Amino acid sequence: GAGVSQSPSNKVTEKGKDVELRCDPISGHTALYWYRQRLGQGLEFLIYFQGNSAPDKSGLPSDRFSAERTGESVSTLTIQRTQQEDSAVYLCASSLSSSGANVLTFGAGSRLTVL
Amino acid sequence: EDQVTQSPEALRLQEGESSSLNCSYTVSGLRGLFWYRQDPGKGPEFLFTLYSAGEEKEKERLKATLTKKESFLHITAPKPEDSATYLCAVMNYGGSQGNLIFGKGTKLSVKP
Repeated sequence: GAGVSQSPSNKVTEKGKDVELRCDPISGHTALYWYRQRLGQGLEFLIYFQGNSAPDKSGLPSDRFSAERTGESVSTLTIQRTQQEDSAVYLCASSLSSSGANVLTFGAGSRLTVL
Repeated sequence: EDQVTQSPEALRLQEGESSSLNCSYTVSGLRGLFWYRQDPGKGPEFLFTLYSAGEEKEKERLKATLTKKESFLHITAPKPEDSATYLCAVMNYGGSQGNLIFGKGTKLSVKP
């Protein structure tokens, strides 16, 4: 596609429920990233996929968070048993590759509110 | 610990009033420093990448510079449409290539 597409754009859920957030990267981009942006805070790295390599999960805050990617296509970020502190905007980005200091193209984000 | 600090947190300017935004960083080895612009409800939009001290890049009313400890984003004669949050991020050689370290941003408001 023309840009990085994320869905849903807004999600309101109750504490304890599971949520899935979807990211459709730019066609041909081999690298895909998830970041979290809490109100008034900088972007926090969550997870990164590069081609068929094992993902870098070093930023995932707890085992309630997981992500998958199908080949070099769609990715899904899953948050299980959501907590109020999970409320944030979840941003997905993609890039042509991860070599060098590569430029990330971001989606508009999925805003998650946990009541 | 790698760190990025941006100042000021917020900046209000009159249209045409030039100013600068600061990004101070501490990294083990700088692979690249990035400036992004973020409008409300949208994802960050790429502006510049700087790789080494002394490097400068320009785009319209924006100019980014880099030293060994900080980067400046200079805004010349800003217009109301330049209002946005400006984010600085660094990528280091020691960490994952996916792990950009972001500052909290500077929220710029330009009044007509």
